[in-house]
Amino acid sequence: AQSVTQPDIHITVSEGASLELRCNYSYGATPYLFWYVQSPGQGLQLLLKYFSGDTLVQGIKGFEAEFKRSQSSFNLRKPSVHWSDAAEYFCAVGITQGGSEKLVFGKGTKLTVNP
Amino acid sequence: ETGVTQTPRHLVMGMTNKKSLKCEQHLGHNAMYWYKQSAKKPLELMFVYNFKEQTENNSVPSRFSPECPNSSHLFLHLHTLQPEDSALYLCASSQDPWDRASDTQYFGPGTRLTVL
Repeated sequence: AQSVTQPDIHITVSEGASLELRCNYSYGATPYLFWYVQSPGQGLQLLLKYFSGDTLVQGIKGFEAEFKRSQSSFNLRKPSVHWSDAAEYFCAVGITQGGSEKLVFGKGTKLTVNP
Repeated sequence: ETGVTQTPRHLVMGMTNKKSLKCEQHLGHNAMYWYKQSAKKPLELMFVYNFKEQTENNSVPSRFSPECPNSSHLFLHLHTLQPEDSALYLCASSQDPWDRASDTQYFGPGTRLTVL
């Protein structure tokens, strides 16, 4: 079955440090890949998405992600974290299953930023 | 109002109550979704509506009853819920109902539901 794995439930980094959030997926074809962010009390907001082409994707708020087909991964990175980046981050894949299209989400990674 | 709005933001109800959640999107989108977000679990897609017609029901119990009177409004009617139904219920919308795998979904802030 199609699945998305975010191995880290909770990550803590210091402000100004670099960040990498991991995402692995299981899907037979090349999926559409997304990263969403959810701030406390808010809905999910799209950070970036990958469909095809350049495997390094730039998003909003200084985030980027790299698609690695050989590793079935789509890791999210940011060179220097800001306190406002504290939130929960969700990786998702867009798939077609049984004639129906949908997003399959990972369980999320909660990011804490220390001053 | 812009984007996707949801009301109420918080709801506490007993198991015998009947209540409704409301979602409105101001983006001119043609697909709308209900998701359930529980702690330590992935988002669960509940229902999908394309052009106000229900196209997907992911084995959701009948105590959850959706309604989509037009492309901008989506309701989730609740009755005789169970405590395990306590969760954050998120509404989302997207532009192209025929390209749901690749189209960006826009989410509302959610309704935090507590069932006593």
